[in-house]
Amino acid sequence: DGGITQSPKYLFRKEGQNVTLSCEQNLNHDAMYWYRQDPGQGLRLIYYSQIVNDFQKGDIAEGYSVSREKKESFPLTVTSAQKNPTAFYLCASSWNRFMTEAFFGQGTRLTVV
Amino acid sequence: QKEVEQDPGPLSVPEGAIVSLNCTYSNSAFQYFMWYRQYSRKGPELLMYTYSSGNKEDGRFTAQVDKSSKYISLFIRDSQPSDSATYLCAMSASNDMRFGAGTRLTVKP
Repeated sequence: DGGITQSPKYLFRKEGQNVTLSCEQNLNHDAMYWYRQDPGQGLRLIYYSQIVNDFQKGDIAEGYSVSREKKESFPLTVTSAQKNPTAFYLCASSWNRFMTEAFFGQGTRLTVV
Repeated sequence: QKEVEQDPGPLSVPEGAIVSLNCTYSNSAFQYFMWYRQYSRKGPELLMYTYSSGNKEDGRFTAQVDKSSKYISLFIRDSQPSDSATYLCAMSASNDMRFGAGTRLTVKP
């Protein structure tokens, strides 16, 4: 089945640690996105990539980093510079730049302990 | 002022009711308007999208867009308990997609 797979589903991070969230898609989509979801707020864009080896900052990129070495994969690293990382992280992909048929993964819940 | 405003609810209705969900926005550059459904602790799933102004119907769901008023709506007819979820509106211009905060809907049997 085609889709987007995020792992792990739950992740716990200690203060000062970097952690990496995985996102893999087999939809052959060029564009991939990372969003953060907090209670009472809409999804906020962290980073996006329209093509392999290229990515752009979104609205809240500080404290995060990404790579796009393969079309299928778009991992997100939450660095120790991110002061409030506890949130629900969602990865998405789309075949067009308007995201009219964007597919989302099932999310990763990151908690700082 | 947020770029997309959506009443967070919560909204509780009896089974069979007609549900109306709404969003307003401020950026006139948005061209595509989407509605997503999100169950608890899951990723959003696309319900439908509309280009520019007008109506679009898909089964029990109808999306309306009024670009002159910067107002979009989703209507759910004959609501079912399985419709209980958070509904997110979203709108996009090229390489820019914005989401509402989501409305939590509960349909009671």
